[in-house]
Amino acid sequence: EVQLVESGGGLVQPGRSLRLSCAASGFTFDDYAMHWVRQAPGKGLEWVSGISWNSGSIGYADSVKGRFTISRDNAKNSLYLQMNSLRAEDTALYYCAKSRRSPPTEIYWYFDLWGRGTLVTVSS
Amino acid sequence: DIQMTQSPSSLSASVGDRVTITCRASQSISSYLNWYQQKPGKAPKLLIYAASSLQSGVPSRFSGSGSGTDFTLTISSLQPEDFATYYCQQSYSTLSSTFGQGTKLEIK
Repeated sequence: EVQLVESGGGLVQPGRSLRLSCAASGFTFDDYAMHWVRQAPGKGLEWVSGISWNSGSIGYADSVKGRFTISRDNAKNSLYLQMNSLRAEDTALYYCAKSRRSPPTEIYWYFDLWGRGTLVTVSS
Repeated sequence: DIQMTQSPSSLSASVGDRVTITCRASQSISSYLNWYQQKPGKAPKLLIYAASSLQSGVPSRFSGSGSGTDFTLTISSLQPEDFATYYCQQSYSTLSSTFGQGTKLEIK
């Protein structure tokens, strides 16, 4: 089955760290860029970070730059998000998302597969 | 950073209505614009990519148009299952993106 399964969320105090994981199955993981997208309770979607298929290119939202680190292990079909110096405003449901490029020209890209998310709550 | 502004933020409509949601980018993004539908407690679902291409399996009552800075998502005849929140997303850069704030479509 083609799926993404996130884990690692939980309750953490401000200033502490947390590492999220995303396990991919049912597709060739190292063919695709991967991303983290979050959604604060009752709020909209916010792109957090993305990583190319070979980890050669990485991007971050300004809101997390310098605090979060994205990585992947293609041998384990896994994506990670190391979150340091957590703040209350980082409280959200964190989705792992696969991106693909549009056929046949591959000029455009979009998210075509999402996990169910893992909830991170930052509170004392 | 590219900012995306959707309007309206919420919308009430009836089954059978034609509905249009607008998304505006803070700079030209060509056709690097996608639309997603999200229902409560669920992950987003891709509807439209590259501004006007219908994702496989999505009903033809959904359509997208626009390029540059102004885009629209149109639902030609609302069905009960279409009541949800809709988001636009720009994918102008390879590993950077932003979403609009969302449009909640409610039953009148």
